[in-house]
Amino acid sequence: GAVVSQHPSWVICKSGTSVKIECRSLDFQATTMFWYRQFPKQSLMLMATSNEGSKATYEQGVEKDKFLINHASLTLSTLTVTSAHPEDSSFYICSARDRFDGRVGEQFFGPGTRLTVL
Amino acid sequence: GQNIDQPTEMTATEGAIVQINCTYQTSGFNGLFWYQQHAGEAPTFLSYNVLDGLEEKGRFSSFLSRSKGYSYLLLKELQMKDSASYLCAVSTEYGNKLVFGAGTILRVKS
Repeated sequence: GAVVSQHPSWVICKSGTSVKIECRSLDFQATTMFWYRQFPKQSLMLMATSNEGSKATYEQGVEKDKFLINHASLTLSTLTVTSAHPEDSSFYICSARDRFDGRVGEQFFGPGTRLTVL
Repeated sequence: GQNIDQPTEMTATEGAIVQINCTYQTSGFNGLFWYQQHAGEAPTFLSYNVLDGLEEKGRFSSFLSRSKGYSYLLLKELQMKDSASYLCAVSTEYGNKLVFGAGTILRVKS
């Protein structure tokens, strides 16, 4: 149980284009999902907290107009990187909290999406 | 502010025991998680501590002292596949974010 999927697992795009990444909780309902980015040999940096049916909460320094987050259902959150530039190239990881179960604060992680912007 | 410290890198020999320390100073505490992350993959759950003491789970054990803001992850009978990054994370608010340490890269040599 507690499986989270991400799609795509990797994507290469041209500078200036937009890329959408999907995060799905496959066997549980997730009222809260989180989006992280991770640079090589560094830890996870929380970008935003996504709550089902409401606006995402962005961390300080993260541009909400550039990283659009939508959490339209209890099993799906999407992150859209708009007008991507090479500096947006990174490993993006989502996680989800089980609505009904799990330890306090526990998050289940997706397999990540490797974004490369040319 | 939130601060979680871990050593950057450690090296140990196959079959040995290694202890990875984590100290934290956070505005609240609702539990501490240890995750394992192999390069290019998502973190996977290893252990959880919310009360003081030792939690044992096979070759992995984790210890917590809330009064000292200190935890460690103990890996026994090291295997080559244990080479990975180990992340310490604290749940600071009920049902909300995890604050991650920078991670400790463990290299297991034969």
